[in-house]
Amino acid sequence: QSALTQPASVSGSPGQSITISCTGTSSDVGSYNLVSWYQQHPGKAPKLMIYEGSKRPSGVSNRFSGSKSGNTASLTISGLQAEDEADYYCCSYAGSSTYWVFGGGTKLTVL
Amino acid sequence: EVQLVESGGGLVQPGRSLRLSCTASGFTFGDYAMSWVRQAPGKGLEWVGFIRSKAYGGTTEYAASVKGRFTISRDDSKSIAYLQMNSLKTEDTAVYYCTREGLVTVNFDYWGQGTLVTVSS
Repeated sequence: QSALTQPASVSGSPGQSITISCTGTSSDVGSYNLVSWYQQHPGKAPKLMIYEGSKRPSGVSNRFSGSKSGNTASLTISGLQAEDEADYYCCSYAGSSTYWVFGGGTKLTVL
Repeated sequence: EVQLVESGGGLVQPGRSLRLSCTASGFTFGDYAMSWVRQAPGKGLEWVGFIRSKAYGGTTEYAASVKGRFTISRDDSKSIAYLQMNSLKTEDTAVYYCTREGLVTVNFDYWGQGTLVTVSS
């Protein structure tokens, strides 16, 4: 069982927006604004999409955005495109004994 | 261009040892902390451990699931990070990714392609 809880799957049509939630606790997501999101296509390595809650690395589309409320972080993808179909994982810093915890992953299907 | 290339994976029997290597290029390796993250077949990501840069003591931290069995080290002169895995268990079967931690940002900003470790008799 993963430390952070994500929905197993979400779906949306091209052009629509979707949001993936990532629920933790007051020991991780709730205590630090240090949630990152990773995109993973089948057979490929994960790719950083959002870090420190809402920041985008250079080269990542501005269709990807992140936010947090309480113990839950969210990833929103607007203007869905076929190439967005992938697995998405959240990750949070969890303090200096546990360090990093991941969510179980969410499979995004673009209909 | 930042590149991380893992090697050393393979089939190993339970209780045996294996050492993975992560060869880095395209950046000043010694300035960065390096982490290992694994992914069991069909499962999610799990942080394994990391090693700080020498500037921060070069110390290591591990997930509870591998503490006491796995050891991370680094050779900055060769730009290589290592993951020594001892007393391997079947549940250690996974693709092991080497990742670079952001220098001033908190994330895993680059990942290698991964190497598969299969623990089976």
